[in-house]
Amino acid sequence: NAGVMQNPRHLVRRRGQEARLRCSPMKGHSHVYWYRQLPEEGLKFMVYLQKENIIDESGMPKERFSAEFPKEGPSILRIQQVVRGDSAAYFCASSPMMRETQYFGPGTRLLVL
Amino acid sequence: AQTVTQSQPEMSVQEAETVTLSCTYDTSESNYYLFWYKQPPSRQMILVIRQEAYKQQNATENRFSVNFQKAAKSFSLKISDSQLGDTAMYFCAFDETSGSRLTFGEGTQLTVNP
Repeated sequence: NAGVMQNPRHLVRRRGQEARLRCSPMKGHSHVYWYRQLPEEGLKFMVYLQKENIIDESGMPKERFSAEFPKEGPSILRIQQVVRGDSAAYFCASSPMMRETQYFGPGTRLLVL
Repeated sequence: AQTVTQSQPEMSVQEAETVTLSCTYDTSESNYYLFWYKQPPSRQMILVIRQEAYKQQNATENRFSVNFQKAAKSFSLKISDSQLGDTAMYFCAFDETSGSRLTFGEGTQLTVNP
């Protein structure tokens, strides 16, 4: 049973470009969560999605960041007009239901030059 | 807002010995979940152990066990017979009832020495 998949594992962008991070949950999981880990810090919650619905986006920056989890395909975290402060590791987690244990993917390391 | 505090930024232990990592949290909820995750040098987040707040019995997973003190809002992780592969950053996390977000502590870097 494959775990949570994230791609790309490493992403380099120049300031002003767009970054798209993908997350495929574990088989049978319909709940997806995105977290950000800045250097030398713990993980911070960004957004919680179910298929086609955003349940909780209270941790998302108000501008430039968006997330979706379509009926078909992976969840996408999109960062427009990236800035150097967006450089971080972005982790996706999935669970079969709300309040169930979240299993994490390997993360995407975003570097903004 | 819920907070999770890990007061030990770094710890070290000799191989085969026992070490305890501390975690305290603050919440007004009565039903919640607590977790320990480890992050080895590969940076992958790996679940170590999970505790339901309504269960009085402390969770155990092989060499890993917790000491859950609900009244004191304390959730420490004990690693017995430490192995070199236990070297990692350990994060304590809290799952609030009203949503499904995890709130993480700042982590404790554990080094197991040969």
